[in-house]
Amino acid sequence: DAGITQSPRYKITETGRQVTLMCHQTWSHSYMFWYRQDLGHGLRLIYYSAAADITDKGEVPDGYVVSRSKTENFPLTLESATRSQTSVYFCASSASGLDNEQFFGPGTRLTVL
Amino acid sequence: QKEVEQNSGPLSVPEGAIASLNCTYSDRVSQSFFWYRQYSGKSPELIMSIYSNGDKEDGRFTAQLNKASQYVSLLIRDSQPSDSATYLCAVNRDDKIIFGKGTRLHILP
Repeated sequence: DAGITQSPRYKITETGRQVTLMCHQTWSHSYMFWYRQDLGHGLRLIYYSAAADITDKGEVPDGYVVSRSKTENFPLTLESATRSQTSVYFCASSASGLDNEQFFGPGTRLTVL
Repeated sequence: QKEVEQNSGPLSVPEGAIASLNCTYSDRVSQSFFWYRQYSGKSPELIMSIYSNGDKEDGRFTAQLNKASQYVSLLIRDSQPSDSATYLCAVNRDDKIIFGKGTRLHILP
């Protein structure tokens, strides 16, 4: 039972490049989320999705794009990476709502040089 | 006032003692409360959820909720070195979950 996976686990890129972080879950959960975690800020919601083809902004969406063509996948794209987007990114999923129990993937550590 | 507030710690507790982690929240209408544990370099892991006033026990963990005081706590009995981690309090607001910044707990062998 793979649960929720993220790839890549580590990524180094340069300012201005496009980067896509992948998230895949095998539970058929309806809801999926992207967070970033930075020292001093805790976990902050970037985007979330209630179902395939339904996405919405979270607290810090600027500079990010998401899509959800299939229930199990929720990729996050940084269209033109900036140094301020250096962070650890976590994908999460929930079976029963935006404000209910969430289960997290292992995270992607992204460094933008 | 911050939406979900936790003491950042570190909180140092001797092995075998009770660790008490506290969290306050600002939205009076919040109904769902969660405690996550996060080991260094790992992802958050849900350990407790609580929705009603009072205590909820699960093994060595007890979550306590007081909605009137807007206060939720986590007690860890018989603390073990493996309990050393950061504990995140999370509270629902406007159909989303808001996380606190976490309390670092260090269990002293």
